[in-house]
Amino acid sequence: SQQGEEDPQALSIQEGENATMNCSYKTSINNLQWYRQNSGRGLVHLILIRSNEREKHSGRLRVTLDTSKKSSSLLITASRAADTASYFCATDAGRDDKIIFGKGTRLHILP
Amino acid sequence: DGGITQSPKYLFRKEGQNVTLSCEQNLNHDAMYWYRQDPGQGLRLIYYSQIVNDFQKGDIAEGYSVSREKKESFPLTVTSAQKNPTAFYLCASTQGLAGVGGELFFGEGSRLTVL
Repeated sequence: SQQGEEDPQALSIQEGENATMNCSYKTSINNLQWYRQNSGRGLVHLILIRSNEREKHSGRLRVTLDTSKKSSSLLITASRAADTASYFCATDAGRDDKIIFGKGTRLHILP
Repeated sequence: DGGITQSPKYLFRKEGQNVTLSCEQNLNHDAMYWYRQDPGQGLRLIYYSQIVNDFQKGDIAEGYSVSREKKESFPLTVTSAQKNPTAFYLCASTQGLAGVGGELFFGEGSRLTVL
């Protein structure tokens, strides 16, 4: 089963614009993480937000979490060509250490 | 440098053959994971292990087997019982218990193609 569902599935924007991706999940969680994957490579951790946090920043990344709506968003500001990648949210409920990923958003930054 | 090493990067298999994918980490992490990724899809959990000599099934364990004889190693065997094994396989590890907020560190993946 896949806990998270990212939206949109694909996103193309001009370089310099902001990119927003959303993640919805089904059950209560302890933490939500965002990862990035360049084509054909492994995933790289971007940011983790705990269930008792509402917003977190890291460089050009801003993540929000709304546990009442079971949703999270990832904002990348001032996008660059190098941001072209797939982005995944991952959740864990803490009970059994399973970390479950969504299907991802494919982000393409146009020059 | 510390990290996770997966091998081989590319692997071709004939139908009916078992193949084993290697995953080694020198991060001293307790927990290790195997995920499968199909084109345009997210990651689906195959097996995971929190400690040596112990492992649990994930969501799609049928047709796969694992072992965890050493802390740093978590090999995955794709058996002939796996009906559609062509996919990209990713190994990951995390310090301690993932349920308390463990960041996953990933290998570069192994791409398996069945001929």
